[in-house]
Amino acid sequence: GQSLEQPSEVTAVEGAIVQINCTYQTSGFYGLSWYQQHDGGAPTFLSYNALDGLEETGRFSSFLSRSDSYGYLLLQELQMKDSASYFCAVLGPGAGSYQLTFGKGTKLSVIP
Amino acid sequence: SQTIHQWPATLVQPVGSPLSLECTVEGTSNPNLYWYRQAAGRGLQLLFYSVGIGQISSEVPQNLSASRPQDRQFILSSKKLLLSDSGFYLCAWKGDSNQPQHFGDGTRLSIL
Repeated sequence: GQSLEQPSEVTAVEGAIVQINCTYQTSGFYGLSWYQQHDGGAPTFLSYNALDGLEETGRFSSFLSRSDSYGYLLLQELQMKDSASYFCAVLGPGAGSYQLTFGKGTKLSVIP
Repeated sequence: SQTIHQWPATLVQPVGSPLSLECTVEGTSNPNLYWYRQAAGRGLQLLFYSVGIGQISSEVPQNLSASRPQDRQFILSSKKLLLSDSGFYLCAWKGDSNQPQHFGDGTRLSIL
């Protein structure tokens, strides 16, 4: 099976940088995804890392180290609208072909 | 472009009543389809997935069922709702290989 660990809550100041870590234990691994979910909304896809290294998309970057079973989401130039829950999810075998297993989420609060 | 529609957005049902939630995908063919449930403040739990018409797999035994009568239609049902069925239900789709999953807007179900 799969298990993922990420902090439950993080608070950061507007304009700052925040890093949300995710460690995982898996019985099969294709890659690590990150999703953002605002209160009352559906998760929206942010990034996917299949290979080691850093992927950058605007203010958001995601990093993966397969040997360490570790990844992180980096948010730069934080804005108030970044306040949301962030989920890491492991893509692995299952569910017919590919299965996503989600962490419990990290609630990010951006303060002025 | 692909879109996913899920309805209703909110639903209040009495204990013991039936349930039918519908999800449709546009702009793609033969998608993998998923139903998740998210309890308040928690991660996403995979309930059902489908790789094709009439093909349903259940991840968690419970009083819910799913059906896929058409290629781009996925239905979540129950004959008799329990209080524990309350939650946020999300439909998701993905295409081939390791493409990300994309979620519908979700249905917030409250059981009274």
